[in-house]
Amino acid sequence: NAGVTQTPKFRILKIGQSMTLQCTQDMNHNYMYWYRQDPGMGLKLIYYSVGAGITDKGEVPNGYNVSRSTTEDFPLRLELAAPSQTSVYFCASSYQGNPNEKLFFGSGTQLSVL
Amino acid sequence: AQSVTQLGSHVSVSEGALVLLRCNYSSSVPPYLFWYVQYPNQGLQLLLKYTSAATLVKGINGFEAEFKKSETSFHLTKPSAHMSDAAEYFCAVSDRQTSYDKVIFGPGTSLSVIP
Repeated sequence: NAGVTQTPKFRILKIGQSMTLQCTQDMNHNYMYWYRQDPGMGLKLIYYSVGAGITDKGEVPNGYNVSRSTTEDFPLRLELAAPSQTSVYFCASSYQGNPNEKLFFGSGTQLSVL
Repeated sequence: AQSVTQLGSHVSVSEGALVLLRCNYSSSVPPYLFWYVQYPNQGLQLLLKYTSAATLVKGINGFEAEFKKSETSFHLTKPSAHMSDAAEYFCAVSDRQTSYDKVIFGPGTSLSVIP
């Protein structure tokens, strides 16, 4: 059972480049989330989705875009990479999206923008 | 607004010693509370959660946490540390009166276990 799978694990970008972080889950979860983790800052929510075709902004959405064409996939797009986007990115999912529900996390993508 | 503080960004304990990781929250109503653990190069995993049943919550790997409303705390403990407990630990809170996307994570505490 794969759970939540993220690719790539590591990436170095130059300022102004673009890339897509991939996330897929095989648990048939309706809700999916993208977080970024900065040292000493905990996790901040970037975008989330409540189902295929429905996405919404989280706390720190600027500089990112998402799409949700299928239940399984929730890619995160960086259009013009900036040094401030250097971070570790985590994709997560949950079945019903209830506030007391456990989140399932991928293993993360470490991104450096130089 | 909700918030979570974790006292001590880094904690070191000797193998076999008590582990105590502190978490305090700010919320207008008793929230849901979580502890997640992140092992090196892995994503976060749920250790335990409080959802208003018993105030003492037992989790995986021998960890437990006690919800204390009067102290607005949810400290994580383990009687005897093991080398495999070395990881980053995150306390998180969500308001039961709000929506699913409002889980707030604390800044994390890195636990080192000394042989």
